[in-house]
Amino acid sequence: LAKTTQPISMDSYEGQEVNITCSHNNIATNDYITWYQQFPSQGPRFIIQGYKTKVTNEVASLFIPADRKSSTLSLPRVSLSDTAVYYCLVGGVNTGFQKLVFGTGTRLLVSP
Amino acid sequence: DVKVTQSSRYLVKRTGEKVFLECVQDMDHENMFWYRQDPGLGLRLIYFSYDVKMKEKGDIPEGYSVSREKKERFSLILESASTNQTSMYLCASRPGDNNQPQHFGDGTRLSIL
Repeated sequence: LAKTTQPISMDSYEGQEVNITCSHNNIATNDYITWYQQFPSQGPRFIIQGYKTKVTNEVASLFIPADRKSSTLSLPRVSLSDTAVYYCLVGGVNTGFQKLVFGTGTRLLVSP
Repeated sequence: DVKVTQSSRYLVKRTGEKVFLECVQDMDHENMFWYRQDPGLGLRLIYFSYDVKMKEKGDIPEGYSVSREKKERFSLILESASTNQTSMYLCASRPGDNNQPQHFGDGTRLSIL
């Protein structure tokens, strides 16, 4: 299973764009890349998922280069409520189930 | 909206007790998962189930067992609780389609005294 590496923490200010990059050098051909957000005392919440190029939803964008060995979660114009831990995961598709390996995540702190 | 419900938010038990953690999902998902989350270690997979009565060991199954008698319910059992099993336990579910994300409950914070 592909291991992911993310920065342990990041700081930002309200209104800024935040980009969190994740390394996954041994990603497999069939692996998807998924990002979750977690607030204290809550379970992780799905943010976005992609396979290649760029994916955008109402919350975030996900950029994946052609070699897929890294990915970048982009949060436009963050607010205080975006302070959370963000997890990047890669997981197999054609294994009959999707077993995901969580890393230690990136703790994002948004200040006024 | 997907709803994954864990029976207790906080639980305190004693060493040696048999502990049951319950998880119910309302979306007819085939796959269900149990994780524990500890500071500095992230989420670690204990067990998962891809169908009723089917189960697979995750990365840290020792000291745990699971039961899935109905599709919507997945139980985690601590056979004889120990203090090193004090942790946050998270349940998740997802459809059988392999590119669908997991949906998590809000967790059970279990303390073993």
